[in-house]
Amino acid sequence: QVQLVQSGAEVKKPGASVKVSCKASGYSLSGYYMHWVRQAPGQGLEWMGTIDPSGDGTTYAQKFQDRVTVTRDTSKSTVYVELSSLRSEDTAVYYCVREEAPAAKYFGYWGQGTLVTVTS
Amino acid sequence: QSALTQPASVSGSPGQSITISCTGTRSDVGSYNFVSWYQQHPGKAPKLMIYEVTKRPSGVSNRFSGSKSGNTASLTISGLQAEDEADYFCCSFAGGFAGSFTEYVFGTGTKVTVL
Repeated sequence: QVQLVQSGAEVKKPGASVKVSCKASGYSLSGYYMHWVRQAPGQGLEWMGTIDPSGDGTTYAQKFQDRVTVTRDTSKSTVYVELSSLRSEDTAVYYCVREEAPAAKYFGYWGQGTLVTVTS
Repeated sequence: QSALTQPASVSGSPGQSITISCTGTRSDVGSYNFVSWYQQHPGKAPKLMIYEVTKRPSGVSNRFSGSKSGNTASLTISGLQAEDEADYFCCSFAGGFAGSFTEYVFGTGTKVTVL
């Protein structure tokens, strides 16, 4: 069965970068888009960006365009999101999310979430 | 791209029906039949409840239904049960417009309370 297992919680200082990983099992990364969605404490969900099935194409929300990078390592079945120039407003739970089916525009599988805390 | 607008809270008694609205624009909800709904219990990851406006994934109760009119999508929960108490988020595909960087936009979220 499909599983997405994310790395553990992180505490970072303002201005630093954070890289969160998401290990996929039960399917091939090459068949699906993988997305990253975040949720600040007590707030709503926010789509950050995606990497396409080939691994060559990424699209990011304009809000994060200059600070976010999504990559993957097919040999490790792992996808990563890196966010730079962290500020307190980036404190959130970060989820990796897979589309339900190839080219489906909805999210059927979610990782358990990784809490990133930005504090001085 | 601004978040889709949802009521902050909706409540109902067990057995009643409630409807949650999700208002977007011509650039997202109004242009695509790619609206999905997610249920989130405290401390848990969201769960897909409705996709492509009206479709239900396998295993989701038929008490959940979706619809859309113009720029507004809606989620209806009929026969409200205690286990339905959770946060609900809508989401719309928003890609394909010139100058639009964002591909997906979520709603502001609605807390459903079962009285």
